[in-house]
Amino acid sequence: DSGVTQTPKHLITATGQRVTLRCSPRSGDLSVYWYQQSLDQGLQFLIQYYNGEERAKGNILERFSAQQFPDLHSELNLSSLELGDSALYFCASSVASGGATDTQYFGPGTRLTVL
Amino acid sequence: AQSVTQPDIHITVSEGASLELRCNYSYGATPYLFWYVQSPGQGLQLLLKYFSGDTLVQGIKGFEAEFKRSQSSFNLRKPSVHWSDAAEYFCAVGARAAGNKLTFGGGTRVLVKP
Repeated sequence: DSGVTQTPKHLITATGQRVTLRCSPRSGDLSVYWYQQSLDQGLQFLIQYYNGEERAKGNILERFSAQQFPDLHSELNLSSLELGDSALYFCASSVASGGATDTQYFGPGTRLTVL
Repeated sequence: AQSVTQPDIHITVSEGASLELRCNYSYGATPYLFWYVQSPGQGLQLLLKYFSGDTLVQGIKGFEAEFKRSQSSFNLRKPSVHWSDAAEYFCAVGARAAGNKLTFGGGTRVLVKP
């Protein structure tokens, strides 16, 4: 158990809908990262937040957004869902925002199925 | 931009045999390198990491990896594989610049024969 929690574990929804994925980082970690794992794209970095501020952005679609709240939990919002958004979404957390000793620990993931 | 290549998509190994998983990276400077393992239906678990110093890194579950700058490689090894090592293994490179995103390879799925 990494200490990173994600809810829900599974989510099934229809095209055009909007969903919210939630992540609670390990105690003491200030950074939260979101990754998408799909069969065709593999594991891809989406976005990073550090202590409430956006820190780095990857291949995140404009239909997707995220935020980190004062209690450091994070939410990933996916809207106007398409079939291709079906994937496993991972959250990871780390103590700092980068550097030699900063290691990311991953949650169990949320499996999103868009029908 | 950084990139990671794992040339082997699948590897089948007999229980008790040795295992080596290949990883090649592309990065402009000395990278941070990681190996993660994903068991079926599970998240990613960190096996080991390299930041600097000794190029032979020991990890959990009896795994080790060697950083070879001249070959831009960070291969993962285990001397004797157990059935529980059947999983998918991901090599990743982390940026030293601001932010800390990980770039992952495509993964290698390991099957263990009894």
